[in-house]
Amino acid sequence: AQSVTQLDSHVSVSEGTPVLLRCNYSSSYSPSLFWYVQHPNKGLQLLLKYTSAATLVKGINGFEAEFKKSETSFHLTKPSAHMSDAAEYFCVVSEMDSSYKLIFGSGTRLLVRP
Amino acid sequence: EPEVTQTPSHQVTQMGQEVILRCVPISNHLYFYWYRQILGQKVEFLVSFYNNEISEKSEIFDDQFSVERPDGSNFTLKIRSTKLEDSAMYFCATEGDGSYEQYFGPGTRLTVT
Repeated sequence: AQSVTQLDSHVSVSEGTPVLLRCNYSSSYSPSLFWYVQHPNKGLQLLLKYTSAATLVKGINGFEAEFKKSETSFHLTKPSAHMSDAAEYFCVVSEMDSSYKLIFGSGTRLLVRP
Repeated sequence: EPEVTQTPSHQVTQMGQEVILRCVPISNHLYFYWYRQILGQKVEFLVSFYNNEISEKSEIFDDQFSVERPDGSNFTLKIRSTKLEDSAMYFCATEGDGSYEQYFGPGTRLTVT
């Protein structure tokens, strides 16, 4: 069975400093991996996705993630945090062998200090 | 940009009552999903629906739950007899343009009292 582990429940950074949100996955198949963001009282928005093409994936709002098969990781990074980045971030794996359902990590809450 | 819509945004119901949550998928999308997020917990898969039938369901999706596309456009989730533990945010998601991306609606917050 596929699973996702987000290593930090909370991450706090200062505005203008780099962001690193860590994610490890477990998969029996070639996974599709995603990062979604959820702002307070909002729905889920796709940041970026990996589907077996380039291992470095660029998303919206300056975020990017690198798929590392040897480390089973898919960490999310951004060079410079903005106040508007404060939100909950979910690392997600898709079971491509069945109904393409999404399996979510427990989430990382990003706090950006002024 | 096309989007998934959900109604109502917030539903309050008494324990034992039936509720129907509605979703309007993106036009031409073929795969439909319901997920839920209990306050403070992770998002959980409930059910997937394709070609007018359930393709997969989770352990959460018991006999109290059902889904359908009553008119070929709306996609509904029905809970026949709500329990306190059904209180959660329910998200509809759709996919179908070959991108493997699921597009989420804004969610319906269900509160069971």
